[in-house]
Amino acid sequence: RKEVEQDPGPFNVPEGATVAFNCTYSNSASQSFFWYRQDCRKEPKLLMSVYSSGNEDGRFTAQLNRASQYISLLIRDSKLSDSATYLCVVNFREGNKLVFGAGTILRVKS
Amino acid sequence: NAGVTQTPKFQVLKTGQSMTLQCAQDMNHEYMSWYRQDPGMGLRLIHYSVGAGITDQGEVPNGYNVSRSTTEDFPLRLLSAAPSQTSVYFCASSYWDGETQYFGPGTRLLVL
Repeated sequence: RKEVEQDPGPFNVPEGATVAFNCTYSNSASQSFFWYRQDCRKEPKLLMSVYSSGNEDGRFTAQLNRASQYISLLIRDSKLSDSATYLCVVNFREGNKLVFGAGTILRVKS
Repeated sequence: NAGVTQTPKFQVLKTGQSMTLQCAQDMNHEYMSWYRQDPGMGLRLIHYSVGAGITDQGEVPNGYNVSRSTTEDFPLRLLSAAPSQTSVYFCASSYWDGETQYFGPGTRLLVL
């Protein structure tokens, strides 16, 4: 089983739609969580950290469920510019290493 | 600030050749790392460094060497290229391990 698993998609949604991605992780001792965004043929960039109480940044909401070992990303009012691959990243306490999921592809269409 | 820079952007090698991928950062970050990204897989850690003079192996270190003589530079050496090393390589840096990673633009490597 992979340490961090994501649905690869692609998720094809119309502009203005709300879309949600989940990510599951295997290690219950995980320390911190992030969502990164990666555009085609570009480097990953931090989208947002995920806090235990959940957090929001504009149209983006991230939530953490430690009991079920998953994190989620909700995007409201999707824009064409949101089309990208979204990477779930977990910092495992053992070895203090970052583990990246393979990513979920989002395509927003007009 | 230039952030994290990588050279070259693209490289084609023949099996058995060696080369060095360059990585530099100007943010005075202590932690630097090298990842490879293959289709359908997440970024996998090759080697990392927590400061000048200190390096350690990641998840997939075989066939690669690193050194960290300065805070700014963290080159990755392919000793004898193999087709399995065809990948996109990203260098990243951060203030400390586990914190937000800043990535370079990547090097696309094809080994024939």
